[in-house]
Amino acid sequence: AAGVIQSPRHLIKEKRETATLKCYPIPRHDTVYWYQQGPGQDPQFLISFYEKMQSDKGSIPDRFSAQQFSDYHSELNMSSLELGDSALYFCASSLGLPGTTTNYGYTFGSGTRLTVV
Amino acid sequence: GENVEQHPSTLSVQEGDSAVIKCTYSDSASNYFPWYKQELGKRPQLIIDIRSNVGEKKDQRIAVTLNKTAKHFSLHITETQPEDSAVYFCAAISSGSARQLTFGSGTQLTVLP
Repeated sequence: AAGVIQSPRHLIKEKRETATLKCYPIPRHDTVYWYQQGPGQDPQFLISFYEKMQSDKGSIPDRFSAQQFSDYHSELNMSSLELGDSALYFCASSLGLPGTTTNYGYTFGSGTRLTVV
Repeated sequence: GENVEQHPSTLSVQEGDSAVIKCTYSDSASNYFPWYKQELGKRPQLIIDIRSNVGEKKDQRIAVTLNKTAKHFSLHITETQPEDSAVYFCAAISSGSARQLTFGSGTQLTVLP
């Protein structure tokens, strides 16, 4: 079965550079979420999109932005990178909203490991 | 917003013994509680979940219990095996406007052979 696809798997950037992470949700899933997981930390919610509209915003820095496109894939754009941005970035997708009776399959991608040097 | 606390942070058990991980949540509107297993550098993988209209759910060696009144839920793993060793995260989702997962801080489970 198709899973959530993230690219790239690994990314090394220098301070103050920009990075773009991509996420391709499971086909027919209409909700995409982005999480940031620092070393030894739990995943922290950044932002989510439902039917291509931003639905919730978490601890996403102003330097980061994201969008969901007409084909439902999403991109997380990160500018003015800092050393502290080094983390695993996970995308997850679901059909409908988690916790509702219509939710199915809140599934994580394999993540992008971003290293800022 | 939601706050999820998880204990213990580390847990070592002998192979074949049971392991219990406990979480509490703060938002009484939360209605969905998944548990994830995460191996080093890999994605969180859903192992079991429970909705607020259910008190207990079991899937082979894994069970989850939910006490809505006390706002806590627990993961029980029986007959542990070395391959159960990983970090386990509890999480909660509120039925309010926020739909994101709020994770606990994680439990490093080590099953000793």
